[in-house]
Formats: sequence, structure tokens, C-alpha cells
Amino acid sequence: GAVVSQHPSRVICKSGTSVKIECRSLDFQATTMFWYRQFPKKSLMLMATSNEGSKATYEQGVEKDKFLINHASLTLSTLTVTSAHPEDSSFYICSARLGGRLDTQYFGPGTRLTVL
Amino acid sequence: KQEVTQIPAALSVPEGENLVLNCSFTDSAIYNLQWFRQDPGKGLTSLLLIQSSQREQTSGRLNASLDKSSGRSTLYIAASQPGDSATYLCAVKETSGSRLTFGEGTQLTVNP
Repeated sequence: GAVVSQHPSRVICKSGTSVKIECRSLDFQATTMFWYRQFPKKSLMLMATSNEGSKATYEQGVEKDKFLINHASLTLSTLTVTSAHPEDSSFYICSARLGGRLDTQYFGPGTRLTVL
Repeated sequence: KQEVTQIPAALSVPEGENLVLNCSFTDSAIYNLQWFRQDPGKGLTSLLLIQSSQREQTSGRLNASLDKSSGRSTLYIAASQPGDSATYLCAVKETSGSRLTFGEGTQLTVNP
């Protein structure tokens, strides 16, 4: 099946720094990628929808200046957490949409961000 | 606004037992419904996807059913094994290309 990778899998940073997370579709082209955030023992919360070559669409309550999303190619989307604070610590998961009849999303393995 | 609910939130069973996980959604106009498995600290693995025109899908010991009119889906796991221990998430897609709306998940523990 289709494979989506995320890098890094785990990152620890100091408060105030910026962190970039990459999401790649390895064997298919994805015009749409999604970024989710997951709190402990909670479900996935959609943060934004990223379309290749255009600006991301952010969900209500998600700060677009805080969470910068770039989808520069059909296989790569990046999420940059700017000026990270401890409350940004979370598990971030991306997914890439494989269109067609089934219209399936394939999920990456996630990135654990810890802000000290 | 679509809302997805999963019951129970947690379930602990002995090995070998057959079990059913439930998922309900408020808006029956869906495109498809998907069941995922998530292991601790990991991403999501798709288990079964049911199109809105389908009633069920099967994969090995897993069987998922869909009753769109009543807004319900069940995931049936036969002869459960300790390796089935994980969180199971159900998600609905309302239209082609749209977002997935997730339930809160059922945390399953299968005891040897």
C-alpha cells in the first residue's frame, strides 16, 4: 500500500525555537495533505488542509502564523511550529490523500514534539 | 456538524473472545467510513474502508458493518489475540476529498 513518512519521529527543543516537521508521500503523488494534532488519550484534531501550490486552509482556532504549512511539491508538505512553547508539545500526524474512487488518506507515523 | 462517537471508550477482554466495537455518527450523508488501528506513540493503520453504498467489509478476523440510515458502524474482531491490543478509531468522510472526522477511539486490551 501507499507509504507516508514523517521526519523527525521525535524532537525535543527549547522554548522559543522553531521546529520543522516533514511529511512525504513515498510512492504516490498527493495533491492534498492533512496535518493533525493528537493529545494524550484523545482523538486526532485536524489542524489544516494543505493543497500543493496553494495556501493551507486552517481549522478554526488554529493559529496560522504559529503553525506554518508549506506544500511545495506533490510529495512533500512541511509543518513549522514557530516560537514553540511547552503547550505546543504534542503528537503531530500528517496524512496524504490518494484520490480516485476510494479517496483514501494514508497516515504518517507521527512526530512527538516536546518543548522544554 | 458531523460528530462521531465510539463506545466503549475502553475494553478489556480475555484472549480468544469475539468482540464488537461501536461507532455512531450524527449525519448519515457520508461518503465512506474507515476503521483505523493506532498503537501507542504510533501513527494510524487503516484496517477497513466501507463505501457509503456498501454494507460491510471483511479482512481476516475483522468485519466492519455500516448502517448509514441509523448512523452506525460496528467493528467485529473474531478470536481476539493479545496482538490486537491497541486503540481503534473510526472516521467518516462526508464528501469526496473532504476531511475525516474521527471518533475518540476505543482502547482495547486483550489479556493472555
